[in-house]
Amino acid sequence: QQQVKQSPQSLIVQKGGIPIINCAYENTAFDYFPWYQQFPGKGPALLIAIRPDVSEKKEGRFTISFNKSAKQFSLHIMDSQPGDSATYFCAASPDSGAGSYQLTFGKGTKLSVIP
Amino acid sequence: NAGVTQTPKFQVLKTGQSMTLQCAQDMNHNSMYWYRQDPGMGLRLIYYSASEGTTDKGEVPNGYNVSRLNKREFSLRLESAAPSQTSVYFCATSPGRGQPQHFGDGTRLSIL
Repeated sequence: QQQVKQSPQSLIVQKGGIPIINCAYENTAFDYFPWYQQFPGKGPALLIAIRPDVSEKKEGRFTISFNKSAKQFSLHIMDSQPGDSATYFCAASPDSGAGSYQLTFGKGTKLSVIP
Repeated sequence: NAGVTQTPKFQVLKTGQSMTLQCAQDMNHNSMYWYRQDPGMGLRLIYYSASEGTTDKGEVPNGYNVSRLNKREFSLRLESAAPSQTSVYFCATSPGRGQPQHFGDGTRLSIL
């Protein structure tokens, strides 16, 4: 079964800290890697996504780092704020061919940012 | 600014009852998806519809059926609900393959 392994399960940081969430995958056909943010009682919302032609992508305070040879990617949140407290999911899929409609999700990281 | 609308938001069923979860989108997206979310399990794909008129199984299709009624609507049916189907169900849409998926706010379903 195609898997995306996400760590840690939970993370507590002080306001202003830089939480880092890591994901690893096995399927070399994966070439689309989105991150989703989910608040309690709401659906996941797309935060940022990367494709393997770049090693880093930044949008505001959120940065994805991508290591194709290691089959790993990570999310960094700069200057974290209490409003960033949420559950974060990484995901992956091929962007063409078999399985390209199927996002495989990690199991999530619950982030708490303490004032 | 509706996006993806799911109904109902909450439902309690008894074992063996049937239920249809509704999803409608106003984003003019071709592809629609049904996921379930369970604690510690992330989101798992139940069924998807790549385009109007087509449906395919995802990772956990057993016990469910789907209908792509038209481009806007995609329903999920539980014919004979079981306690193992207690979950939060999310509908999502995307323009097509390998494109960002946009989620509704979910249906919280409890089966007693």
